[in-house]
Order: sequence, then C-alpha cells, then structure tokens
Amino acid sequence: DAMVIQNPRYQVTQFGKPVTLSCSQTLNHNVMYWYQQKSSQAPKLLFHYYDKDFNNEADTPDNFQSRRPNTSFCFLDIRSPGLGDAAMYLCATSRDRAPGYEQYFGPGTRLTVT
Amino acid sequence: GQQVMQIPQYQHVQEGEDFTTYCNSSTTLSNIQWYKQRPGGHPVFLIQLVKSGEVKKQKRLTFQFGEAKKNSSLHITATQTTDVGTYFCAGWGQAGTALIFGKGTTLSVSS
Repeated sequence: DAMVIQNPRYQVTQFGKPVTLSCSQTLNHNVMYWYQQKSSQAPKLLFHYYDKDFNNEADTPDNFQSRRPNTSFCFLDIRSPGLGDAAMYLCATSRDRAPGYEQYFGPGTRLTVT
Repeated sequence: GQQVMQIPQYQHVQEGEDFTTYCNSSTTLSNIQWYKQRPGGHPVFLIQLVKSGEVKKQKRLTFQFGEAKKNSSLHITATQTTDVGTYFCAGWGQAGTALIFGKGTTLSVSS
C-alpha cells in the first residue's frame, strides 16, 4: 500500500543534542510537509517542500531545518533541542500544494527531550 | 494572519446522541477540509468542501460549508464509540499555499 512512513516512532534526545527525524513516502507526491503537534493542540506547520523548493513558515525557529534529498525522503533536523521542542512531529504529503489537495499524514514521531 | 477557530474544544456524549462541531474563519476560504485524529493516531482526511452552501454526507456524518465560505460544521448523528477522536477543520485561504488547522474538537463517547 502506498503510504507515508516515519522513523523512528519514538525518539529520546538530550537537551541541546542534535536529532534527525525521517519521513519517506511511496505516493510520489510533490509536496512534503512537517508539522509539530503538542498535546491537545492543532498541528502547526513548520515548513514544506514543493518538489525541491523549500518553504519556511515565518514563525518557525531557526533551530529547525529540513532536507529533501529526493522525492521520496524528507528529514527534519533539530539542531539544539530544547525542552519546549518535545512534541509529536508529523510528516504529511500531498500531490500538489494548491487548495483542494488532501494531505496524507504519517504516524508521527514522538520526541522527548531530557 | 488568517485564523481558523473551532468550538467546542471538548464534547462528551452518550452513545446514540448527536454531536456537532463548528468551524469559523477570519477570512473567506477557498475550501475547507475535515480530518479525524484517533487517540494516539495521526490525522486522517475525511472530506473537502469547496462550494458555497455545500452539504456532503458520509453515512452518519454531515458536513456543511457556509454561504459566505467562512464557516463550516460537522454533525454526527447517533454517535458510536468508534467516533471517538479529535475532529479538525482546516482551511485554505484565498491566497494561501498552506492549510490552516483549527484547534480541533475532541469527542468522547460513553456507552
């Protein structure tokens, strides 16, 4: 089945220790998104890639970076995680970023910062 | 900036009762999508509404898009325990390139 896969499902990192979260997709979608979701809150868009074009949200901290080496894979790098970065990180894809295209979410990576 | 507001934040019902969640945008939307997130799960797309005044049904779920394209609702008839989860509306602004999610309504159902 075509799908969005995230690894690992659970990640524990130390305060200030860089961490990378991974997302892959078999849908061959053009757009890949990274969302941060804290408990009982809505998903908050961090950035997205439209093909190779990177689009950062204005309020995304510089501590968060992303890479998309090819169509299938996208990575979220947190350079110096703080306690406030503990959250569920959701990767999503869509065929296009124009209005009207649904987003397919991966199962998420729950990040704990100690 | 554009905001999408959703009420109520939480709703508890007895199984068999009806449930409604409301979504309002500060600006006119080009379309609106609804997602369901089960406890411990990830958002799953339910439906999209595009036209002013549009009404769509999925079994016991009825979705409406307001005439002014600034509000939407999701109504569940005769809730079941399988309906438990958080329901998010998400809107595209007229000039936006990203979905703006509402804060969601968390539904709990007791049998």
